[in-house]
Amino acid sequence: SSELTQDPAVSVALGQTVRITCQGDSLRSYYASWYQQKPGQAPVLVIYGKNNRPSGIPDRFSGSSSGNTASLTITGAQAEDEADYYCNSRDSSGKVVFGGGTKLTVL
Amino acid sequence: QVQLQQWGAGLLKPSETLSLTCAVYGGSFSGYYWSWIRQPPGKGLEWIGEINHSGSTNYNPSLKSRVTISVDTSKNQFSLKLSSVTAADTAVYYCARGLSSRSLAGYYYYMDVWGKGTTVTVSS
Repeated sequence: SSELTQDPAVSVALGQTVRITCQGDSLRSYYASWYQQKPGQAPVLVIYGKNNRPSGIPDRFSGSSSGNTASLTITGAQAEDEADYYCNSRDSSGKVVFGGGTKLTVL
Repeated sequence: QVQLQQWGAGLLKPSETLSLTCAVYGGSFSGYYWSWIRQPPGKGLEWIGEINHSGSTNYNPSLKSRVTISVDTSKNQFSLKLSSVTAADTAVYYCARGLSSRSLAGYYYYMDVWGKGTTVTVSS
């Protein structure tokens, strides 16, 4: 079982804002990173650190955190944002952990 | 632009050893953590383990007894061996570059470069 907990599925209407959350004790020490994965493709980093986007990631993606909860927000969701999203960090022992993933559907 | 190219056997029989290699092109090998991650069909991502340029390893406790990750810095490559495979090890295996650091705001870890993945099937 994952030490980071995510809702299995979330939906959003086209152009609206959606927040995907990730909970875990490790997030009190480590910022979460977030990955987007489309079918048949490798994951792609979309957010890391406090709220950093790698080059090429649209600015509609943003991250935040509070206590043991990290959030990925997509402001103005597009059809191409439909994907699985995973959070990730290190735990207190230094091991790398992933959340179980959230399937985002854009309606 | 850093790229990871991975390869290895895609079909194994139960009890055999899975062996994959990942080559790093276009970037430094030192200063990063080099990980293996897998994804069973229809399921989420599972971290297998990591190694740094000096050979220090860190493994997922659930797989530790069967996993060996090694590095060849002369070739900028790192490798995964998973022994005594079963059907439960059937998955897409990815290699990735990880960075772990600390800013004024706190600690962070992320994987910014991924290989394309290798499908490994274990079947008799």
